Amino acid sequence: DIVMTQSPDSLAVSLGERATINCKSSQSVLYSPNNKNYLAWYQQKPGQPPRLVIYWASTRESGVPDRFSGSGSGTDFTLTISSLQAEDVAVYYCQQYYSAQYSFGQGTKLEIK
Amino acid sequence: EVQLVESGGGLVQPGGSLRLSCAASGFTFSNDWMHWVRQVPGKGLVWVSHINSDGSRTMYADSVKGRFTISRDNARNTLYLQMHSLRAEDTAVYYCARGYNVAAISHSGWFDPWGQGTLVTVSS
Repeated sequence: DIVMTQSPDSLAVSLGERATINCKSSQSVLYSPNNKNYLAWYQQKPGQPPRLVIYWASTRESGVPDRFSGSGSGTDFTLTISSLQAEDVAVYYCQQYYSAQYSFGQGTKLEIK
Repeated sequence: EVQLVESGGGLVQPGGSLRLSCAASGFTFSNDWMHWVRQVPGKGLVWVSHINSDGSRTMYADSVKGRFTISRDNARNTLYLQMHSLRAEDTAVYYCARGYNVAAISHSGWFDPWGQGTLVTVSS
């Protein structure tokens, strides 16, 4: 099974500053025939279900502000929020869908400093 | 509007059974993979099971294999999770989610959208 590990577990960033969350997979999630990384990011606010933010490691879901971006390939990935807004406070999860035994990272709690 | 609404959660004794339902609307349910994902309150997301569009293929996490059964009724636009031999560690909020169809793989891609979830509590 593919194990997803996020860092840090929690992060406090000032409003307007950059927030960076890392995700590492125990094996590559890059599918060579189409050169796509089978990696998604979700945002979960308190009392709400998860919301898709990024898929294919770097494609922003419709309606997601452009301050959110995803990068990385193979086993190492990053979610960046370029200028933190109050509404971005949430727990963020990465997920691999390379394997049918889908797995999530443990989550990163993002707060305002 | 694409919508998923779970129901059927509640309090059940260890060893008991429960059936969860997920009513889908706003999209062609019969075209899509569907998933169950659970979350212990305050903890992370754990994938439980998936089913393909016509119900012919299913898969389970090791922790529920042999105890849980996923199924779907495409005529009723409804997904189910039958849970038997429930344990305290099955206590969680259970979400259903639609799986995006991805070419080149034999399973689904990312999950979107998710329902609001239904709480299952296993306790005596």
